[in-house]
Formats: sequence, C-alpha cells, structure tokens
Amino acid sequence: DGGITQSPKYLFRKEGQNVTLSCEQNLNHDAMYWYRQDPGQGLRLIYYSQIVNDFQKGDIAEGYSVSREKKESFPLTVTSAQKNPTAFYLCASSPRDTYFEGGYTFGSGTRLTVV
Amino acid sequence: GDSVTQMEGPVTLSEEAFLTINCTYTATGYPSLFWYVQYPGEGLQLLLKATKADDKGSNKGFEATYRKETTSFHLEKGSVQVSDSAVYFCALLDDSSYKLIFGSGTRLLVRP
Repeated sequence: DGGITQSPKYLFRKEGQNVTLSCEQNLNHDAMYWYRQDPGQGLRLIYYSQIVNDFQKGDIAEGYSVSREKKESFPLTVTSAQKNPTAFYLCASSPRDTYFEGGYTFGSGTRLTVV
Repeated sequence: GDSVTQMEGPVTLSEEAFLTINCTYTATGYPSLFWYVQYPGEGLQLLLKATKADDKGSNKGFEATYRKETTSFHLEKGSVQVSDSAVYFCALLDDSSYKLIFGSGTRLLVRP
C-alpha cells in the first residue's frame, strides 16, 4: 500500500543538538510539506517542496532546514537555532497538477521533545 | 491572503447528538475545500472534500456543503459516536501554490 512513513515516532534531543526527522513517500507525489503542531493549536507550515531539488520557506522556517534530493524523500533538520523545538511534526505529500482534488496525504507524525 | 476560520472548541456532546462545526473561509476565486480529522497521537486523515460551489462532500456519516454565497463549509453529523472524538480541521487549497491553508482545529469530545 502506498503512503507516507515518518520516523521515528518519538524523538528526544538535548539542547544545542541538531536532529533530523525522516519523511518517505511511495505515492509518486511531486509535492511534499512539513508542518509543526503545538498543543491546542493548528498546523503551521515550515517548508514545502513542489519538485526535486527545489523547496520554499513556509511561515515558520527559522531554525529549520530541509533537502529534496529524491522525489520520495523530504527530511527535516531541526537545528540548535530553533528556540522552542518541542512539538509534533507532520509530513505530507500531494500530487501537483491543475485538476488537483485529492487533498494531502499525511504521515503519522514525529513527536520531538527537547530534554 | 486566503484564510480559514473555525469555531473554537472544545465541543462536548452526548452520544447520538447532532454535530455542527462551523467553518468559513476567505479566498480569491473558488478554492477546493476539505475537512481533515486527527485522532489522538496520529496524523491527519482526509474526511471529505468539495471542489465547487453547492458540492456536498460526505463520508462516515459526516457531511459538508460548499456554500459560495456565505463562504462556508460547515461540518455536520446527525448522530455522533464516542469514536468520533478527535480534532477536526477545515482547510482550503490555494490553487496557485498548491498549499493547503488550515483552520485552527476544533476538538470534539463525545461522552457515552
């Protein structure tokens, strides 16, 4: 079955360390997205990529970095510059065509805790 | 810019009660509209969608109608179950950037 796999499900990081969250999809979707979700809040877009080797900042990109070297992979690095990294991170993908109707497919998320 | 406004939660109902979660949007043109559901500790799942005015999306007993005149896409269910307890997100698709713009989410708690 096609889908999005995020790993790990839970991640603990010490202050001052960088950490990379994995996101892999086998849906052959062109576009991929990273969102951050804080307790009781909605989703905020961190970065998105509509094609391989290209990506754009979302609303809260500071302290994060991404790469898109392969169509199926869009890893997110949370750097030490991110002041409040503890959150639930969601990856999503979508097809990219004019008559897009299907919505996004989401992974099950990674919960990052800074200790 | 485009935006989505949802009613604040939590919404607490007894089992078999009628559910309405309000959603209104601001957008240029006529975007596709979506409802997503998030169960505890999980990612979001697409619940239903509508792509043009007067379309009704439906799934698992939930319905929402795309109302252009009121720029609304309210979610309804005639009889909720305990298993419907989750957070519900309304969203619109910005079809120039292919980005989904989400509302803040509404938590639903259904009591037995």
